[in-house]
Amino acid sequence: AQSVTQLDSHVSVSEGTPVLLRCNYSSSYSPSLFWYVQHPNKGLQLLLKYTSAATLVKGINGFEAEFKKSETSFHLTKPSAHMSDAAEYFCVVIPSGSARQLTFGSGTQLTVLP
Amino acid sequence: GAVVSQHPSRVICKSGTSVKIECRSLDFQATTMFWYRQFPKQSLMLMATSNEGSKATYEQGVEKDKFLINHASLTLSTLTVTSAHPEDSSFYICSAVTSGGAGDEQYFGPGTRLTVT
Repeated sequence: AQSVTQLDSHVSVSEGTPVLLRCNYSSSYSPSLFWYVQHPNKGLQLLLKYTSAATLVKGINGFEAEFKKSETSFHLTKPSAHMSDAAEYFCVVIPSGSARQLTFGSGTQLTVLP
Repeated sequence: GAVVSQHPSRVICKSGTSVKIECRSLDFQATTMFWYRQFPKQSLMLMATSNEGSKATYEQGVEKDKFLINHASLTLSTLTVTSAHPEDSSFYICSAVTSGGAGDEQYFGPGTRLTVT
């Protein structure tokens, strides 16, 4: 069984400052981990994914995440927030080798202040 | 990249009527599609797994007679909400997995906002 915990339901940052969205996971198998972004009334867009290659994963729009097995974490970061980054972010875990059984975190709403 | 579309994007229907939502993989074949439901400010909840040419697998608590799923081809799955009621109002999102593709990644549609009056 696997689970995902997004530690913050809401994060607020000023434009131009760093972003940190936290995600911890548990999985019985070597997991694949994903971050998705959802803008209001839109579907999910993949930001980045970890599938047992490099532990530091770079994604789109300047986002990156680091897989830390010892801490069971996969936190999402961005050096400088942009107004367009305001959205809901979901951390997702999948057991290795399976496209099924997605487990979604509860989501983190990112607000970017001018 | 892989694109998934949904139609309609928004629908309003009267209580007691049925509504069909389409999910299409536009540039790839999808042996498996998933249907999710999302309530406001909540995460996605998997409703069912749709496999081409076979019956859908429903998650616990999801009424299969109310949410009819048909995956008639490798590029199309439909979700029909039968005898809709206001509590069925929600955001419905589908996703698709490529056949023999990159493996774990699911590609999500843009969602359908259903409002039952």
